Amino acid sequence: EPEVTQTPSHQVTQMGQEVILRCVPISNHLYFYWYRQILGQKVEFLVSFYNNEISEKSEIFDDQFSVERPDGSNFTLKIRSTKLEDSAMYFCASSVPLGEQFFGPGTRLTVL
Amino acid sequence: LAKTTQPISMDSYEGQEVNITCSHNNIATNDYITWYQQFPSQGPRFIIQGYKTKVTNEVASLFIPADRKSSTLSLPRVSLSDTAVYYCLVGDMGYGGSQGNLIFGKGTKLSVKP
Repeated sequence: EPEVTQTPSHQVTQMGQEVILRCVPISNHLYFYWYRQILGQKVEFLVSFYNNEISEKSEIFDDQFSVERPDGSNFTLKIRSTKLEDSAMYFCASSVPLGEQFFGPGTRLTVL
Repeated sequence: LAKTTQPISMDSYEGQEVNITCSHNNIATNDYITWYQQFPSQGPRFIIQGYKTKVTNEVASLFIPADRKSSTLSLPRVSLSDTAVYYCLVGDMGYGGSQGNLIFGKGTKLSVKP
């Protein structure tokens, strides 16, 4: 069964550093998403991406965040200058148009 | 987006049927009802989706009354591995969210005991 993969599984970084979280969506999917989940809290939408541009973004997705599809398979989330409050699980998801979203296993980001 | 309300937690025993009810009083005509499951330290996983009446798949059943102001996820004969958080989502893009993004609430934490 096809699945969404994410790397790394755990990323530790110092406050103020840049991090790039990587995702490989399911190959025939056209819609891509990033969500985050702070420990013990609910899953929060960050951004959706289609046709090489952002479709929608939440208030969380400020100028410190960016997304990119650098090639035909990867989808990345960059945080330019990490803050302590960016510590969370980051989930990538992908879907076909109007299809269910398939989530990856997540990257646990720890900002020290 | 319609607001959803579901119990914070539920306990059950192996082999029992579990019913989790979600209220969505302000559901719109074009909204679908979708349930996701999340195990600890994993991403959410789609379980089932419906618009009205009853939907059944290999994992669960979804019951939606005529007024669509609530829905009930039914898990037959649960096992320990069904211990997870279950999210009810309502939205107009067919799979739980407006314009494709999913809006999660706090969900129902189901604990299945031996």
